[in-house]
Amino acid sequence: DAGVIQSPRHEVTEMGQEVTLRCKPISGHDYLFWYRQTMMRGLELLIYFNNNVPIDDSGMPEDRFSAKMPNASFSTLKIQPSEPRDSAVYFCASSPQGLASDEQFFGPGTRLTVL
Amino acid sequence: GNSVTQMEGPVTLSEEAFLTINCTYTATGYPSLFWYVQYPGEGLQLLLKATKADDKGSNKGFEATYRKETTSFHLEKGSVQVSDSAVYFCASLHSGGYQKVTFGTGTKLQVIP
Repeated sequence: DAGVIQSPRHEVTEMGQEVTLRCKPISGHDYLFWYRQTMMRGLELLIYFNNNVPIDDSGMPEDRFSAKMPNASFSTLKIQPSEPRDSAVYFCASSPQGLASDEQFFGPGTRLTVL
Repeated sequence: GNSVTQMEGPVTLSEEAFLTINCTYTATGYPSLFWYVQYPGEGLQLLLKATKADDKGSNKGFEATYRKETTSFHLEKGSVQVSDSAVYFCASLHSGGYQKVTFGTGTKLQVIP
């Protein structure tokens, strides 16, 4: 398996534009997570899905952020409109079965810069 | 709620020095505990884990023991290398299938030749 795949790896956009980040989890994993990492706030969980259903979105900062998982092999995180303070590295991760022993497998991240 | 506290960095060590990165947790019940490592420009990857009290996780010369009495999971390595330079994250996952992992803030380790 290729691991968790994220695209794009880098995104530079202007304030007010819509940004869509994409993630393909590891096949067979039931859980998918979106994280944001910044120097100031560290690693923050934004939202996670179980079997394509959003379970906890309490980390989503504002209504400008939305996430979907239309099927088991694809998820998107959308920011509309984007702001400079959204600049961060966004990670997608997946894990297998929801067991306490399960590790999370992280993608390489998308570095977002909003000018 | 659950929380993870780890020592602030950066930690700078000379090659072959002994490493300890402290981590303590608070949780209801008995969580599984993890150490993740993040190399520059990459995502986090699992370094080691322990799922119950007194378990010792180990990998690549790193070790951590699940200490219920002190609610700790300190990361240790006897002799660090330059290639160990990275950010290390302690994390807990509550048992019972609740998948919301709690991560510490990360400790940056720099090993100099």
